[in-house]
Amino acid sequence: DGGITQSPKYLFRKEGQNVTLSCEQNLNHDAMYWYRQDPGQGLRLIYYSQIVNDFQKGDIAEGYSVSREKKESFPLTVTSAQKNPTAFYLCASSSSGGTYEQYFGPGTRLTVT
Amino acid sequence: GQQLNQSPQSMFIQEGEDVSMNCTSSSIFNTWLWYKQDPGEGPVLLIALYKAGELTSNGRLTAQFGITRKDSFLNISASIPSDVGIYFCAGQPPLSDDKIIFGKGTRLHILP
Repeated sequence: DGGITQSPKYLFRKEGQNVTLSCEQNLNHDAMYWYRQDPGQGLRLIYYSQIVNDFQKGDIAEGYSVSREKKESFPLTVTSAQKNPTAFYLCASSSSGGTYEQYFGPGTRLTVT
Repeated sequence: GQQLNQSPQSMFIQEGEDVSMNCTSSSIFNTWLWYKQDPGEGPVLLIALYKAGELTSNGRLTAQFGITRKDSFLNISASIPSDVGIYFCAGQPPLSDDKIIFGKGTRLHILP
């Protein structure tokens, strides 16, 4: 079955610790994205990558980092510099070349205390 | 930056009623997408629209790409309990690489 997986579903961390969220896709999509969702809000773009070994900052990149070493994988690290990291994080992917349809994983809920 | 205004923010309807929601912007978009999100899950793509004036259906759902390219609407006919959730519109502005912009969502509640 083709799709996007995110793990874990729930993640708890202490303040001051970095944490890495996993995102894997087997849809053979070139582009991958990370969004943050807060209650009652839409989706805000953190980082995106259109091709392996390249990525761009989105609207709220501060306190986050990513890597894109493989086409299938786009992990997101929430660093201790992120002032308000507790949120629902969504990963998505799309094929390049003009369709713009993004397909989402099930999300990871991160709680930092 | 460009923004999408989605309305209404929430709706309370009776089962069996039709639903209408829309998304507007002051800027043009080349693509409109409609998603549904269940609690604690990722959004699921419902309908994609690529041409101004385009009207597309997916079962009981119908969406249209506004002729001005600045708006889109989604209708749900004969609502059922599983329609409950948050509906997001998303638009792809011109020259945006592969990025899309999301509205803040319409939360649909169905009264028994």
